[in-house]
Amino acid sequence: AQTVTQSQPEMSVQEAETVTLSCTYDTSESDYYLFWYKQPPSRQMILVIRQEAYKQQNATENRFSVNFQKAAKSFSLKISDSQLGDAAMYFCAYRTDAGGGADGLTFGKGTHLIIQP
Amino acid sequence: NAGVTQTPKFQVLKTGQSMTLQCAQDMNHEYMSWYRQDPGMGLRLIHYSVGAGITDQGEVPNGYNVSRSTTEDFPLRLLSAAPSQTSVYFCASSYSTTLYTTNYGYTFGSGTRLTVV
Repeated sequence: AQTVTQSQPEMSVQEAETVTLSCTYDTSESDYYLFWYKQPPSRQMILVIRQEAYKQQNATENRFSVNFQKAAKSFSLKISDSQLGDAAMYFCAYRTDAGGGADGLTFGKGTHLIIQP
Repeated sequence: NAGVTQTPKFQVLKTGQSMTLQCAQDMNHEYMSWYRQDPGMGLRLIHYSVGAGITDQGEVPNGYNVSRSTTEDFPLRLLSAAPSQTSVYFCASSYSTTLYTTNYGYTFGSGTRLTVV
């Protein structure tokens, strides 16, 4: 079974600065997908960014980018120019490619991101 | 708007009562799943379905039943509610990763906050 570990229960950053959230995972598979989801106080789960394991190029979505290190099984999220609206819980998640990924996502326990004005 | 619809948003039950959490999606996704979110635990998979008539257990299935009679609907039943089932419940849906699509993330409903007293 796969496991996902987020070692930072809480992070704090000044508005407009850059912050990196850490995620490591354990798997014996070679094909899989990784995600970062954002959960604001509204509790809605919002997909921030995704990465296919077969792609060496790191995914980027506007101010959000990842550092995907497949050999190290590491998948960190960098948020540039932090904004007050970025304050939320952030979850790292893993999806297997086996069986079409039917059995859902495996989540880390989350990192609470605080933005200081 | 296309997406995943969960009802109700909030519910209070007494111990021993039964209820059904509703989930519907209009994106023609094959895969649907239920998660529970507890403080400090991230999201954990309860049950999932790969299509109409096919369901399977996830990480924490005890105390919950599911069925899937149509592609669109995937209700979660609590047969005899217990205080340990106090949680926030999320329904999510997705395409299979075997399809040629870049849209392989799971889409989540807005969640149901359930309190069992």
